[in-house]
Amino acid sequence: GDSVTQTEGLVTLTKGLPVMLNCTYQTTYSPFLFWYVQHLNEAPKLLLKSSTDNKRTEHQGFYATLHKSSSSFHLQKSSVQLSDSALYFCALSVIDRGSALGRLHFGAGTQLIVIP
Amino acid sequence: GGIITQTPKFLIGQEGQKLTLKCQQNFNHDTMYWYRQDSGKGLRLIYYSITENDLQKGDLSEGYDASREKKSSFSLTVTSAQKNEMAVFLCASSIGGGHDTQYFGPGTRLLVL
Repeated sequence: GDSVTQTEGLVTLTKGLPVMLNCTYQTTYSPFLFWYVQHLNEAPKLLLKSSTDNKRTEHQGFYATLHKSSSSFHLQKSSVQLSDSALYFCALSVIDRGSALGRLHFGAGTQLIVIP
Repeated sequence: GGIITQTPKFLIGQEGQKLTLKCQQNFNHDTMYWYRQDSGKGLRLIYYSITENDLQKGDLSEGYDASREKKSSFSLTVTSAQKNEMAVFLCASSIGGGHDTQYFGPGTRLLVL
């Protein structure tokens, strides 16, 4: 079936260092990938999304490239800030055959903690 | 812009109790969703609705009922709360189908004693 794997449950980094949060997916359909970010006690919000193979997508200093050859959509940032501390979810959108709607399959999430 | 409101913010229930969570959106979106968030398990889809009075089951629909009374509101009922259950229930909406971005509410935190 369709699924998303995020291998790191927790990532702790010092401010100013680069980060990469891993995301791989499984689907037999054409993939549409999302990254959502959830700050403490807030609603998840869209960070970025892509369905184009090998094209870098950027937003708020974060970037990701969908690689269909490796079924990956890793999230990166060159220099993390204290305000980046949050829970990051990778999600795969597939079209439900019955309703013809896109529905999201979420990974387990990666908690990023940035320390001074 | 728009906003999604979820009530209540916190819900404490007793084992076996029927509990109802409510969600309102003013985006004028067609599609609404209910997710359950458990620590370490991501978000799991319970029910979704593509229009008023429509209901579609997600992966976790057993033990829940839902109701889309009108376009702007979507309710979720826990039919029989399980002892020591603790989770966050998130409501979301999107313009329509396909791969539209979903917008989330702040959540309802459930604790069953």
